[in-house]
Amino acid sequence: DAGVIQSPRHEVTEMGQEVTLRCKPISGHNSLFWYRQTMMRGLELLIYFNNNVPIDDSGMPEDRFSAKMPNASFSTLKIQPSEPRDSAVYFCASRQGQPNNEKLFFGSGTQLSVL
Amino acid sequence: AQSVAQPEDQVNVAEGNPLTVKCTYSVSGNPYLFWYVQYPNRGLQFLLKYITGDNLVKGSYGFEAEFNKSQTSFHLKKPSALVSDSALYFCAVRDSHSNYQLIWGAGTKLIIKP
Repeated sequence: DAGVIQSPRHEVTEMGQEVTLRCKPISGHNSLFWYRQTMMRGLELLIYFNNNVPIDDSGMPEDRFSAKMPNASFSTLKIQPSEPRDSAVYFCASRQGQPNNEKLFFGSGTQLSVL
Repeated sequence: AQSVAQPEDQVNVAEGNPLTVKCTYSVSGNPYLFWYVQYPNRGLQFLLKYITGDNLVKGSYGFEAEFNKSQTSFHLKKPSALVSDSALYFCAVRDSHSNYQLIWGAGTKLIIKP
């Protein structure tokens, strides 16, 4: 298994532009998470999907952020318009959905820089 | 309030010496505790977890962690450090009100010197 696959690995964009981050979870995993990591705030959960349905999006910073999971093998996180304070590493993680299974598998992340 | 504290930003250990990375927690109910490791430019990797049972939990790469309920601690340990253990280590506890939300520590940078 190739693990959780994220693209792109690096994204540099200008303020105001739209940014789309992509994630392919591990096959058979029915839970998907988007996290953001910064030095100041550490790891923050942005949104959690279970069986392709958004369960908790309370961590999404504001309306500029949106996430979709159209099928079990693909998810996107979109920022429109982007701002410099969105600069961070964005991780996607997946897991199998058994009770008490908190073993998350993380992708390698997308390093986002908004200039 | 539920929380996880990793009191050391950085831990320095000589190769071959034992290492400890500290973690304390505050959570209502029984704690579900985890350690993850992050190597440079990579995502986090699961090391081990404590749900119930023996207080000493063994995990990947020779790491273990000791659950201490009275001290509300879950310190990560390894008897003999390797240079390749150098990484960022995160402790986490499951939010007792959730079956998916983890409360993460700020991370501890472990540096193993040859």
